[in-house]
Formats: sequence, structure tokens, C-alpha cells
Amino acid sequence: RKEVEQDPGPFNVPEGATVAFNCTYSNSASQSFFWYRQDCRKEPKLLMSVYSSGNEDGRFTAQLNRASQYISLLIRDSKLSDSATYLCVVITARNTGKLIFGQGTTLQVKP
Amino acid sequence: GAGVSQSPSNKVTEKGKDVELRCDPISGHTALYWYRQSLGQGLEFLIYFQGNSAPDKSGLPSDRFSAERTGGSVSTLTIQRTQQEDSAVYLCASSLRYRGDEQYFGPGTRLTVT
Repeated sequence: RKEVEQDPGPFNVPEGATVAFNCTYSNSASQSFFWYRQDCRKEPKLLMSVYSSGNEDGRFTAQLNRASQYISLLIRDSKLSDSATYLCVVITARNTGKLIFGQGTTLQVKP
Repeated sequence: GAGVSQSPSNKVTEKGKDVELRCDPISGHTALYWYRQSLGQGLEFLIYFQGNSAPDKSGLPSDRFSAERTGGSVSTLTIQRTQQEDSAVYLCASSLRYRGDEQYFGPGTRLTVT
């Protein structure tokens, strides 16, 4: 079983739609959680960290459920520029920055 | 300021040859990481360096892979006797410290083994 699992999609949505991505992780001792964004043939870039209380950054909302080992990302009012692959990322060990990546979920926002 | 840089951007090599990939982290970042992304695969961790501590090599797939970081700055990833399954994009990242700090990725080196 992969340590971090995501639905690969693709998710095809119209502009303005709300879309949600989910991710599960297998290691209950996981410490830190992130969403990264990767554009085609580009390097990943941090979108947002995910905190236990949930957090919001503009149109993006991230939630963490430690009991279910589940992370989500909600994008409201989708823009064409949101089209990318969204990577769920976990740090499982203490005192390390070693990132464990999910396979990524592809989002395509259509006009 | 300058971001993470990697060279070469593309490398084509014949099976069995050795290759060296270079990473220049962001100045002042003490932690440096190598990952690779294969076609159809996710990103996988290879190795990381933190200051003067012994590197975490737990992600290196075989003893053909090695890496070093000189002077706490530039890092070189070496793959000996390359195989076709080594074909991937090799990404380097750096962060100010480690643990939850944001990792900034370089553009990667696309390695093709023929």
C-alpha cells in the first residue's frame, strides 16, 4: 500500500466551479502535511501547509482529519490558471524534512 | 534572489555509463534534498543533507547511486553504470532548515538512459 494515496483524476471542471481533492496517508505517526502544486513539466511548488484546525488561503481551504488519516483541499471559484497537478505531501518522521508524495491529482479547468 | 539551480537540464547517456548531476541550493539554506520523478510515478525521496549531520540515504534505490555535498552548499548526485530504469527527472530542493520548512525545488535534470 502506498504511504500517501490520491485519486489521480483527471478532474475536469468549468470555470467558477468548486472542486475538492482527497488524500489518505497510512502512517499514523505522520507529523506534517502539505499540498504542493506542479504544472506540466515544471517543478513542484508549495501551495499550502495543512494544520489540524484547518486553514484557508484565499480560494483554497485545507483540512486534516488525524483520526481518519485524511487530508482534503477545496478550491472555490476555479480559475483557468488553477489547472495543474495537486500533490498531497506528508512528513512521516520526526526531525526530518523528507517529503512523501502522493501520485497527484490532475485538475483541468475549462472555460 | 536566485532559486535552486540544477545542471544539466537534460542529459542523454548510454546504458552502463556514469552520470553526475549538480545542484546549487539557495544561499543560506542548510538542508538539501534529492528526489526523482519517473514517468507515471510520483516523486520519490532519494537522499537529504542537513548541515554537518550524516546524510539520510534511506531513499537511494541501489548502491549505484551516491551523493555528496561539499562545503555545505553544492551537491552532486552520481549514478554509476546507468540502467534504463534510471531514466527520470531528478529534482533537487533546499530549505532554510528542515522539518516543516518550505522546500524550494529546482527545475530538475531530465535523464534519459538509452
